[in-house]
Amino acid sequence: AQSVTQLDSQVPVFEEAPVELRCNYSSSVSVYLFWYVQYPNQGLQLLLKYLSGSTLVKGINGFEAEFNKSQTSFHLRKPSVHISDTAEYFCAVNTGKLIFGQGTTLQVKP
Amino acid sequence: DAGVTQSPTHLIKTRGQQVTLRCSPKSGHDTVSWYQQALGQGPQFIFQYYEEEERQRGNFPDRFSGHQFPNYSSELNVNALLLGDSALYLCASSFMPGDDQPQHFGDGTRLSIL
Repeated sequence: AQSVTQLDSQVPVFEEAPVELRCNYSSSVSVYLFWYVQYPNQGLQLLLKYLSGSTLVKGINGFEAEFNKSQTSFHLRKPSVHISDTAEYFCAVNTGKLIFGQGTTLQVKP
Repeated sequence: DAGVTQSPTHLIKTRGQQVTLRCSPKSGHDTVSWYQQALGQGPQFIFQYYEEEERQRGNFPDRFSGHQFPNYSSELNVNALLLGDSALYLCASSFMPGDDQPQHFGDGTRLSIL
């Protein structure tokens, strides 16, 4: 069965610093990968998706992710974070249903 | 362009009661999936509806049931509520049920069981 592991439960970072949120998935024939963000008391908002093609995927709010098939990873990065990026981030693989990781709390400090 | 809308936003029930949650998909979408998100956890897939039929089901008991209407809206019903059913229930919609279709989420219904 497919699974997703987010390697960090919490990531504290200072404002304007770069950040990487790590995600590993179990391998499969074809992989469709997604990152979602959840702000307090809200649903999930799609940040970016990897379906095929270029392994570097750009999303909204300045986020990007790199698909690495050999390492079965899909890490999320942002070169300079803002206070407003404080939220819960979920990595997911789509097998017709979304299978989510446990989430990573990004805490941006002033 | 209306996104996914869910109602109600909050609900308080007692053990043993029954509850119905509602979802209207994003305009142009025809597939609805339901997820349960316990506090501090990632969402867990409950089931998916397409063409008014349940296409896939996660590891949830039969107390959880659903329905999709001809206008693509959907309901989630939970019978014989347990304390452990307290969670945020999220509805997601997509165009077609394919693996490559991004799912768009509503803001959820917060269900509290006393």
